[in-house]
Amino acid sequence: AQKVTQAQTEISVVEKEDVTLDCVYETRDTTYYLFWYKQPPSGELVFLIRRNSFDEQNEISGRYSWNFQKSTSSFNFTITASQVVDSAVYFCALSEASGGYQKVTFGTGTKLQVIP
Amino acid sequence: DAGVIQSPRHEVTEMGQEVTLRCKPISGHDYLFWYRQTMMRGLELLIYFNNNVPIDDSGMPEDRFSAKMPNASFSTLKIQPSEPRDSAVYFCASRSRRQGKTGELFFGEGSRLTVL
Repeated sequence: AQKVTQAQTEISVVEKEDVTLDCVYETRDTTYYLFWYKQPPSGELVFLIRRNSFDEQNEISGRYSWNFQKSTSSFNFTITASQVVDSAVYFCALSEASGGYQKVTFGTGTKLQVIP
Repeated sequence: DAGVIQSPRHEVTEMGQEVTLRCKPISGHDYLFWYRQTMMRGLELLIYFNNNVPIDDSGMPEDRFSAKMPNASFSTLKIQPSEPRDSAVYFCASRSRRQGKTGELFFGEGSRLTVL
């Protein structure tokens, strides 16, 4: 069973629009961590955020915000006033206590294209 | 500080040939991970090392794949013999235990392998 589902394969938005990237996860652990990574065209994945399963507070960092809802097993990512530089593939990921946290399971990614 | 360095960035080879991918983790990082990225399967963890010791290689697809970490600053992923289905982008990532078990991963830019 897929543990991290990113149903949106590709999204295109016009610059300055807001966009939300969905992430649904599946785990039997009560303790786990969720992540978002960005993969720009250059290729390397860059860490954006980490949340633990006990902290459901939403987080905002500039134009980025994250909505963590355990009730729906979702950890969605919103970019406000998108910019061309936001164009990238975004990955949601999960690490579980049962796996010693070392095994990070990634979703299949959502490719975001911001059109000028 | 230098990030994770991978080589080669691109490799094109013929089926049956041996392929060796190389990784230099960030200095001082205790953990090293090898991931494979394909369109069909996304990012898959192949193997990871802690203090140069392989901890979990359950993600290695088959015996044709092997990985070593002879010292703290170098790791190799070898495919012998290579097959067209091995075509993918192979990522190396590292992190420090000082970040805790759930610390972010630092990725290299990847090695794009094409097996003809």
